[in-house]
Amino acid sequence: EVQLVQSGVEVKKPGESLKVSCKVSGYTFTNYYIGWVRQMPGKGLEWMGIIYPGDSDARYSPSFQGQVTISADKSVNTAHLQWRSLKASDTAVYYCVRHRTTITRRPDYFSGLDVWGQGTTVIVSS
Amino acid sequence: QSVLTQPPSVSAAPGQKVTISCSGSSSNIGNNYVSWYHQFPGTAPKLLIYENNKRPSGIPDRFSGSKSGTSATLGITGLQTGDEADYYCGTWDSNLSAGVFGGGTKVTVL
Repeated sequence: EVQLVQSGVEVKKPGESLKVSCKVSGYTFTNYYIGWVRQMPGKGLEWMGIIYPGDSDARYSPSFQGQVTISADKSVNTAHLQWRSLKASDTAVYYCVRHRTTITRRPDYFSGLDVWGQGTTVIVSS
Repeated sequence: QSVLTQPPSVSAAPGQKVTISCSGSSSNIGNNYVSWYHQFPGTAPKLLIYENNKRPSGIPDRFSGSKSGTSATLGITGLQTGDEADYYCGTWDSNLSAGVFGGGTKVTVL
């Protein structure tokens, strides 16, 4: 069974750093893009960025470029989303997703987000 | 402000049909596949339609997708109370080189 299992709830203060994780099982981790989607309280979905674990090629939405870092550790089939300095506006649920494509290594041939993690709640408050 | 435009809400009686529109441009829907997702309160979204009109295994044929030009539509027939959820469209935007979503549509069964 294909699964994305995310790390648990995080409560942090503004200015602190954070790294959340997404453990993959049930398929070959290096063969598919994996990404992150943000959902702020009471709001819609926002595509943040993706990474191809095979070569760590990462792409970001302009809205999130420079704000977060997406990485992948092939040795443990795990993707990460990281902040250097959190802000209160980073409070949200973050979902990891498998970004399926119709052509390998072409994120623009976007088929759909076919597998979702359960979500990680991040609360940033002083 | 989302790149793709959806109506905030739609509603219909049980057994009826609803359609949800998703409007974009040539840089996104016009030249890329559209996918649809539904999300129940407190849970992760789930893929309903991919590549404009394909259903993943386990999704009933009451759900259908179509695309024409720079717009896409999700249809739900035989509406059930269990279909009450938020529905989102998504696609790739070639100008942004990123995925994009619509703002979401809340489906209410009257």
